[in-house]
Amino acid sequence: EAGVTQSPTHLIKTRGQQATLRCSPISGHTSVYWYQQALGLGLQFLLWYDEGEERNRGNFPPRFSGRQFPNYSSELNVNALELEDSALYLCASKPTGNQPQHFGDGTRLSIL
Amino acid sequence: GDSVTQMEGPVTLSEEAFLTINCTYTATGYPSLFWYVQYPGEGLQLLLKATKADDKGSNKGFEATYRKETTSFHLEKGSVQVSDSAVYFCALSDNDNAGNMLTFGGGTRLMVKP
Repeated sequence: EAGVTQSPTHLIKTRGQQATLRCSPISGHTSVYWYQQALGLGLQFLLWYDEGEERNRGNFPPRFSGRQFPNYSSELNVNALELEDSALYLCASKPTGNQPQHFGDGTRLSIL
Repeated sequence: GDSVTQMEGPVTLSEEAFLTINCTYTATGYPSLFWYVQYPGEGLQLLLKATKADDKGSNKGFEATYRKETTSFHLEKGSVQVSDSAVYFCALSDNDNAGNMLTFGGGTRLMVKP
């Protein structure tokens, strides 16, 4: 069974640009979560998508957004990039019900 | 709100030593508890979980028991190996929230020397 896959592995942008990160969940998983792992700040919940809808978001500004497609894959978009957006962005998926989340290897976003 | 506190690292041990990484939590409901491990350059892997009080999660020689009375979920292993060197995250999922979002501790880096 293929795990959660994320692309690209690394992404380098400059301040003010826009970044798009992609995630393919495990087959059969309908929920997708995004987390930010920034140096010194630990892992912070960003967004939760389920059945194509945004269900919840963490304490992040609106320039962090995304969507979930009919095949349950997801995109995270970050607009007007700032230096402090440099981080590892992790995607996780899980099936319906009280099941654990399974994580991808992440996209490392570097802002120059 | 929910929170997880775990011991700061790094924790440095010799091979075959006993490992304990402390984790305590605060939650309004009845959370599920998890330990995830992150190897260098990789994402998080689920190590073990416990969904109710007194449950013991175990995997690959690691164990943790859900202690409601002390709100703790300490990770233990009897004999660590060099390959166990990684960052360990304790996390909770509040079962009262429909999304089961995870709240993580700050992570503990474990370094095992041969």
